[in-house]
Amino acid sequence: RKEVEQDPGPFNVPEGATVAFNCTYSNSASQSFFWYRQDCRKEPKLLMSVYSSGNEDGRFTAQLNRASQYISLLIRDSKLSDSATYLCVVNCYGNNRLAFGKGNQVVVIP
Amino acid sequence: GAVVSQHPSWVICKSGTSVKIECRSLDFQATTMFWYRQFPKQSLMLMATSNEGSKATYEQGVEKDKFLINHASLTLSTLTVTSAHPEDSSFYICSAKRQGVGMNTEAFFGQGTRLTVV
Repeated sequence: RKEVEQDPGPFNVPEGATVAFNCTYSNSASQSFFWYRQDCRKEPKLLMSVYSSGNEDGRFTAQLNRASQYISLLIRDSKLSDSATYLCVVNCYGNNRLAFGKGNQVVVIP
Repeated sequence: GAVVSQHPSWVICKSGTSVKIECRSLDFQATTMFWYRQFPKQSLMLMATSNEGSKATYEQGVEKDKFLINHASLTLSTLTVTSAHPEDSSFYICSAKRQGVGMNTEAFFGQGTRLTVV
């Protein structure tokens, strides 16, 4: 089983709509969770960390479910500029090693 | 904010030649840097962990003699792809975290190097 699994999509989203996707992780000892955004042919950039209580940053909401070992990202009021690949990233306890999912490709359509 | 700079951003080389990629942390010290490879429509795959002043730790399946890593200072790690072949063509990205910070801190990525071997 892969360390981090994501449905690559693409997720075609009408502008202004809401889109949500999950990411599952296999290592129950995982301690830190992140969502990164990666634009085509660019490096990943941190979108937001994911905290146990869930957290929100503007139109973006992240949730963590430790019991079921998944994290989620919800994007409200989608903008054309939100089109990108969203990478789920998990950090295991005791080391700095990051495990990446394949990413969820989001395409916002006018 | 912290910046990681990677150079070159793209390179085309002939089969059999070697290519060196540099990764620099510009405003913080990094005892550990990471090298990833990403094929089209695939996730970032960790190749190796670069440790300042000591040998790199390679992931299973990554040839250490082919992908030479040197981390000579707290701000510079280099990856050399030796005897490159067309199948080595990929997007190579480095990342680093600030030294001494906790688990929930951001990893900063270099801009990536797109290598094409012809």
